[in-house]
Amino acid sequence: GAVVSQHPSRVICKSGTSVKIECRSLDFQATTMFWYRQFPKQSLMLMATSNEGSKATYEQGVEKDKFLINHASLTLSTLTVTSAHPEDSSFYICSGQGVMDEQFFGPGTRLTVL
Amino acid sequence: TQLLEQSPQFLSIQEGENLTVYCNSSSVFSSLQWYRQEPGEGPVLLVTVVTGGEVKKLKRLTFQFGDARKDSSLHITAAQTGDTGLYLCAGARSSNTGKLIFGQGTTLQVKP
Repeated sequence: GAVVSQHPSRVICKSGTSVKIECRSLDFQATTMFWYRQFPKQSLMLMATSNEGSKATYEQGVEKDKFLINHASLTLSTLTVTSAHPEDSSFYICSGQGVMDEQFFGPGTRLTVL
Repeated sequence: TQLLEQSPQFLSIQEGENLTVYCNSSSVFSSLQWYRQEPGEGPVLLVTVVTGGEVKKLKRLTFQFGDARKDSSLHITAAQTGDTGLYLCAGARSSNTGKLIFGQGTTLQVKP
């Protein structure tokens, strides 16, 4: 149980375009989902907390107008990277919160902006 | 300020050796999780510990939560090449509404 999927797994886009990443909890309802960014061989960096039916809470330094988050249902949260630039290239990972504060992570999305 | 100090950050050992990874903090956590991540994939939950002094075993992996719930350790006995990966500890604080505080991660390489 507690499976989270992400789509797409890998995306390459041109600078200036927008990219949407989907995060789905497949066998549980996730009132709260989290979005992380990870650089090679480093730990996860929390970007924002996504709550179903309300606005996301962004961490300090994360631009909410650039990283749009929508959590329209208990099983789906989306992250849209708007006007992407090469510095936005990274590994983006989402997670759904379990009942004991544990988090179940998706497989990640590798974004490359040319 | 790193609230959860994880060490060592890099570890390269031979197959069959034992190892211990530590996570330390001055803060109390309501629970602490250990994850393992392989390149290009998301972290996979290994264990959650919630009680001070708790010890959990998962085959050759032993997890311990400190009595004061401020620190934790992961011990691997007779490491195998399949144990290679990034190990992450993450603590939950009751005031953080679900947010996890992650350690820096330990990159483990087990050589044959």
